[in-house]
Amino acid sequence: GENVEQHPSTLSVQEGDSAVIKCTYSDSASNYFPWYKQELGKRPQLIIDIRSNVGEKKDQRIAVTLNKTAKHFSLHITETQPEDSAVYFCAAKAYGQNFVFGPGTRLSVLP
Amino acid sequence: EAQVTQNPRYLITVTGKKLTVTCSQNMNHEYMSWYRQDPGLGLRQIYYSMNVEVTDKGDVPEGYKVSRKEKRNFPLILESPSPNQTSLYFCASSLFAGGNEQFFGPGTRLTVL
Repeated sequence: GENVEQHPSTLSVQEGDSAVIKCTYSDSASNYFPWYKQELGKRPQLIIDIRSNVGEKKDQRIAVTLNKTAKHFSLHITETQPEDSAVYFCAAKAYGQNFVFGPGTRLSVLP
Repeated sequence: EAQVTQNPRYLITVTGKKLTVTCSQNMNHEYMSWYRQDPGLGLRQIYYSMNVEVTDKGDVPEGYKVSRKEKRNFPLILESPSPNQTSLYFCASSLFAGGNEQFFGPGTRLTVL
């Protein structure tokens, strides 16, 4: 089955700097890759997603890149702000299969 | 308001006492799923359903049951809970099974003594 790894497990950046979180997946049939943000005590919420027919997607300060050949995808957050502090999860899914999540990255944005 | 609801939000029970956690969505979504979240392990999918009367095992289905008799409801059943099922549980739904935004419920914190 699918296996998703995520690095780093914790990340601290200064406010205004960029943050990058990387995930790798094992199943070449996976074609949907969402990223979720979970604030303390809250439910996960989708922040951006990408499908396998696209190499990059951007939404304001957030971007995701996908390398299908290498089976990895990354989340990029620019101009980080204190409210970006949260746990971020990547996930991978093939059609008709279950979602497999990475273990999460705790991002701290220091003022 | 479009939402996913779960009940109860908090539950403390004892080993072996059957329990059900309800999940309901009002968005006419086809795909529904249950996750458990444990520290350091992220979200692990327990069961999912691509439509009414269609359910499939996720990565950690042992000790759980589900049913999907109606499109809006997807209850999680623990027939004989054990302490290793102490966890934070999330229900989620999405429009289709092909890969769409999942909307998560508020979570149910379960403690099995």
